[in-house]
Amino acid sequence: AAGVIQSPRHLIKEKRETATLKCYPIPRHDTVYWYQQGPGQDPQFLISFYEKMQSDKGSIPDRFSAQQFSDYHSELNMSSLELGDSALYFCASSWGGQNQPQHFGDGTRLSIL
Amino acid sequence: DAKTTQPPSMDCAEGRAANLPCNHSTISGNEYVYWYRQIHSQGPQYIIHGLKNNETNEMASLIITEDRKSSTLILPHATLRDTAVYYCIVRTQSSYKYIFGTGTRLKVLA
Repeated sequence: AAGVIQSPRHLIKEKRETATLKCYPIPRHDTVYWYQQGPGQDPQFLISFYEKMQSDKGSIPDRFSAQQFSDYHSELNMSSLELGDSALYFCASSWGGQNQPQHFGDGTRLSIL
Repeated sequence: DAKTTQPPSMDCAEGRAANLPCNHSTISGNEYVYWYRQIHSQGPQYIIHGLKNNETNEMASLIITEDRKSSTLILPHATLRDTAVYYCIVRTQSSYKYIFGTGTRLKVLA
């Protein structure tokens, strides 16, 4: 079965640079979620989109922005990168309402030098 | 958001049933319980979810107490590949997000 696809899988950036992470949800899924997992930490919710509109917002820094496009894929844009942004970034998708489970991708590992 | 409490770690012998408890005493009537696991640094893997009835799928069984204040995830025949961190999550009807707790680190022993 098709899964959530994230790209790139690994990304190395330097401080103050920008980065764009992409997420392709499972076909027919209309909701996308972004999570950040720092080293040794549990995943933390950043933001979600339902039918291309922001549906919920968590602890996402102002330096980060995200959107969902007409084909339902989503991009997380990160600017003025800091060392503390080094983390795994997971995208998840779901369909048909809030009670449906989220399905996660394998994540993008972002390393800031 | 309903808070969940899980033991930080558990061991289970290979081939035996693994019973992972979760306390969610502040759960509301329309909030579902979801279970995920994370192996190393892979993406969290969906296992099962339920509202009030017990649920079973090819991976596991979910037992929810009648008062819905706690639940147990059962892996009927644990294998070494089941070694992972298991998260119990309760999501409110008003929110799309998951709030991950610290989970239970399950180690399956040969």
